[in-house]
Amino acid sequence: DAGVTQSPTHLIKTRGQQVTLRCSPKSGHDTVSWYQQALGQGPQFIFQYYEEEERQRGNFPDRFSGHQFPNYSSELNVNALLLGDSALYLCASSRDRSNEQYFGPGTRLTVT
Amino acid sequence: QKEVEQDPGPLSVPEGAIVSLNCTYSNSAFQYFMWYRQYSRKGPELLMYTYSSGNKEDGRFTAQVDKSSKYISLFIRDSQPSDSATYLCAMSAPPITSGTYKYIFGTGTRLKVLA
Repeated sequence: DAGVTQSPTHLIKTRGQQVTLRCSPKSGHDTVSWYQQALGQGPQFIFQYYEEEERQRGNFPDRFSGHQFPNYSSELNVNALLLGDSALYLCASSRDRSNEQYFGPGTRLTVT
Repeated sequence: QKEVEQDPGPLSVPEGAIVSLNCTYSNSAFQYFMWYRQYSRKGPELLMYTYSSGNKEDGRFTAQVDKSSKYISLFIRDSQPSDSATYLCAMSAPPITSGTYKYIFGTGTRLKVLA
């Protein structure tokens, strides 16, 4: 049973560029949440997708947007990258209304 | 004040020691409490999940929740060098309208178990 997968593993972008990160949820899961983890910090909630819609959002600007596809996979898009966007981006999947979230390995984004 | 406070460590213990990791929180609406283990440059791995107050045991791990004190703990018995990692506590409140369980994480405690 494949767990949560994310791609790419690492990414280096320049300030002002745009980036797309991808996530495939664990088999049987239909809900995807995205988190940002800065170095030495705990993950911070960006948003959650269910039934192809954003269901709740954390304190992140509109530069952060997402999408969920009919097969439950998801993308995180970040526009106009800032140096401060450098972090590990984590995707977590769960069943709808279940509180157990399983994390993928993350995508490490470096903005120069 | 942060909603969840966790001592970042690092915490160094000898192999075989009992490790105690703790988090405090301020939001009385939290009812779900999780512990994750995160190895360097990896995603968090769910270790323990508890609901409301009480204890839960799983192998060498015991999770405790004291809602009256807004304090949770994770105990690791017979610690091993392979337990060296960052341990994150996470909490959530029941969803009100959206159905979303939004996790609030602590900063994580770095643990090093010395052989």
